[in-house]
Amino acid sequence: AQTVTQSQPEMSVQEAETVTLSCTYDTSESDYYLFWYKQPPSRQMILVIRQEAYKQQNATENRFSVNFQKAAKSFSLKISDSQLGDAAMYFCAFLLIQGAQKLVFGQGTRLTINP
Amino acid sequence: GAVVSQHPSWVICKSGTSVKIECRSLDFQATTMFWYRQFPKQSLMLMATSNEGSKATYEQGVEKDKFLINHASLTLSTLTVTSAHPEDSSFYICSAATPQGGGSTEAFFGQGTRLTVV
Repeated sequence: AQTVTQSQPEMSVQEAETVTLSCTYDTSESDYYLFWYKQPPSRQMILVIRQEAYKQQNATENRFSVNFQKAAKSFSLKISDSQLGDAAMYFCAFLLIQGAQKLVFGQGTRLTINP
Repeated sequence: GAVVSQHPSWVICKSGTSVKIECRSLDFQATTMFWYRQFPKQSLMLMATSNEGSKATYEQGVEKDKFLINHASLTLSTLTVTSAHPEDSSFYICSAATPQGGGSTEAFFGQGTRLTVV
């Protein structure tokens, strides 16, 4: 079974500083995708960044980057130059695309940005 | 990006009645859709995975007869909460994965449905 673990229920950071959110996962599969989603109070899920498991290069999207360690099954999200609009719940997710497809989420991390 | 439309956004129903929630992929064909339940301040709990033209795969602990999922076409999946009770009140979210190929796969989400059973 695939599981995703986010060990930080809450994180806070000063505006303009950098913060890293942790995520680990467990799977015996080799072909999958990893995502970080943001969920604001509206509860609409917003894709932050995506990583294909077969790619060694870490994904980057503007101020957002990941540290993907496949052997360690770790997928952390780094937010640089934090902005007030970054405040939200952040979920790490695992998508299995072969065989029995599944999209499984971690417990979430609530990120607060301090002005 | 691709658009997934979920309807209704919110619904109030009486205990014992059934409620149907629709999830449509508007500009792509979704062979696989996922249904989630989210309690306040908690994560998305996968309820089931639906594949077009076949029976849904339910997660352990999810009652198949209570949460009926139908994926009759490549653009529509429905979740019916049968004989709803107050404990079924929750936020339900659907997600559709874009087709594989071209090295790009992404999951898009509906807006969610807040169900209140009174």
